[in-house]
Amino acid sequence: GESVGLHLPTLSVQEGDNSIINCAYSNSASDYFIWYKQESGKGPQFIIDIRSNMDKRQGQRVTVLLNKTVKHLSLQIAATQPGDSAVYFCAETYNFNKFYFGSGTKLNVKP
Amino acid sequence: DTAVSQTPKYLVTQMGNDKSIKCEQNLGHDTMYWYKQDSKKFLKIMFSYNNKELIINETVPNRFSPKSPDKAHLNLHINSLELGDSAVYFCASSQGRNGAPQHFGDGTRLSIL
Repeated sequence: GESVGLHLPTLSVQEGDNSIINCAYSNSASDYFIWYKQESGKGPQFIIDIRSNMDKRQGQRVTVLLNKTVKHLSLQIAATQPGDSAVYFCAETYNFNKFYFGSGTKLNVKP
Repeated sequence: DTAVSQTPKYLVTQMGNDKSIKCEQNLGHDTMYWYKQDSKKFLKIMFSYNNKELIINETVPNRFSPKSPDKAHLNLHINSLELGDSAVYFCASSQGRNGAPQHFGDGTRLSIL
């Protein structure tokens, strides 16, 4: 499933399916991006990052895609598990001077 | 060992009171932050300190005053608490300036009666 993470939408996926969480960032000059995961009752936790000179970066079960033309960032989670249920935030930075958090997307994994 | 620890975890108090939240990090980071997260999960940066120097001071009522006695500590004092201050406050730290990957504490849930 997919979502646009501008308010706090909920993306519901079946366990084992792939998830795609989207983020529209604001500053075309932003040069560094991070995805964070926030589980209930916890603080956000770093998942993966990408610099603006890259289009794609892969981690363990996660892939981040960056489309600078349309200022769009996505986080793909392969074989989604119940432990992936959380709120996901994208963050953008320009020259490590200013940074902004997106408004988050809630991922709900159904067993 | 907890990397970024905040105390207290819960804080329930009455309007008009003054309260403090403490934050300590044992990661050796040089930058620390305070965030406010509202009921809709929106994360708003309030302050950032780099090597004890204030580098981000967003539009926050001056009832909020951060204090960084050393690189490992960043406390938040709030005067004359108001109902709208009810939120979860997160402390975070990073190595390097703004935007570097941050390590967050587990938050302080502040409830104003």
